[in-house]
Amino acid sequence: DGGITQSPKYLFRKEGQNVTLSCEQNLNHDAMYWYRQDPGQGLRLIYYSQIVNDFQKGDIAEGYSVSREKKESFPLTVTSAQKNPTAFYLCASSIREAINQPQHFGDGTRLSIL
Amino acid sequence: QQPVQSPQAVILREGEDAVINCSSSKALYSVHWYRQKHGEAPIFLMILLKGGEQKGHDKISASFNEKKQQSSLYLTASQLSYSGTYFCGTYSGGSNYKLTFGKGTLLTVNP
Repeated sequence: DGGITQSPKYLFRKEGQNVTLSCEQNLNHDAMYWYRQDPGQGLRLIYYSQIVNDFQKGDIAEGYSVSREKKESFPLTVTSAQKNPTAFYLCASSIREAINQPQHFGDGTRLSIL
Repeated sequence: QQPVQSPQAVILREGEDAVINCSSSKALYSVHWYRQKHGEAPIFLMILLKGGEQKGHDKISASFNEKKQQSSLYLTASQLSYSGTYFCGTYSGGSNYKLTFGKGTLLTVNP
């Protein structure tokens, strides 16, 4: 079955450490997105990519970095510059430039500080 | 700018109806609705397009008022499985094709 796989499900970060969250999709979608979810805040866009080797900052990109070297993969790195990384992170994908098509979400990664 | 959802939370008894609203300060081209159970992935419900018809699926339907820049989600004869947080995501034009999500409405359906 096609879908989006996020790993790991739970992740712990030490002070000063960078961590990378994995997102893989086999839906053949061009567009991929990373969202951060905090209690009561909804989904806030971190980065998004409409095509391979191209990505744009979302609303809360500071302290995060991404790469898009392959169509099916869009990893997110939470850097040490992100001072409050504890949150639920969701990856999504969709057909490119499609305002009339849904975004498909992974099951999320919950990141906490040790 | 995030769309505003109302109410923030609602509690229903099984079989009751509910309406969730999503309002934007910007002109809207499309509105997406999702439902999320705690700790799980959001699940797609429906998309409303500017100039399009009201959508519906089983006992869940939605409307899109372009003049008011508002969409409403209608849940009829609610079931226990309807419990969760409902999010609207709005697209206001431009070439970035990204959605801006509201803060969500927590719906609890009790027996």
